[in-house]
Amino acid sequence: EVQLVESGGGLIQPGGSLRLSCVASGFTFGSYSMNWVRQAPGKGLEWVSYISRRSSNIYYADSVKGRFTISRDNAKNSLFLQMNSLRDEDTAVYYCAKDRGDNAYLFDYWGQGTLVTVSS
Amino acid sequence: DIQMTQSPSSLSASVGDRVTITCRASQGISNYLAWYQQKPGQVPKLLIYAASTLQSGVPSRFSGSGSGTDFTLTISSLQPEDVATYYCQNYDSAPLTFGPGTRVAIK
Repeated sequence: EVQLVESGGGLIQPGGSLRLSCVASGFTFGSYSMNWVRQAPGKGLEWVSYISRRSSNIYYADSVKGRFTISRDNAKNSLFLQMNSLRDEDTAVYYCAKDRGDNAYLFDYWGQGTLVTVSS
Repeated sequence: DIQMTQSPSSLSASVGDRVTITCRASQGISNYLAWYQQKPGQVPKLLIYAASTLQSGVPSRFSGSGSGTDFTLTISSLQPEDVATYYCQNYDSAPLTFGPGTRVAIK
């Protein structure tokens, strides 16, 4: 059974930093691209970032480019999102989402999410 | 960036009704279009990809069609468990973009 478990969310002041983690199990992590997708309270889905299986291709939404950094450790079945210079509008549930393949850009499994609240 | 729009933003229909949701891309995306279902309090679930291919385990009452800029998601016979918000997603190229969602309720 595929499982994705996020952690690292919390309350942070504007301008602060957080590092989100996602531990994967139930599939060969290193064979799939991975993504972060977020959802602000009561709002729709927003793709945040993508990383290919060997980290050779990385993409970001314009809204986070230059502030967020995605990375992965295939030996530890883990995905990360380093978030710097956080803003109020970054407040959201952040989901770790497995790609349907490598470079498929589809999300076939999602974690339960971790809530990031940016507020003073 | 490719913008995705959906209509209607919400709808209410009776059990057994045929329901159609439309998604439009701001430029052609071939068939690189997916649909997700998010039930209240749950995480999104992939329903359809490549515009019309059902993800494994998805009931056959769901279907998708379209190519280029115009796409539709159809529920042939609405069931109570289909109450959810439905999102389309462009995956032609990064940045990947979602539509704003269509909320489906039971009348």
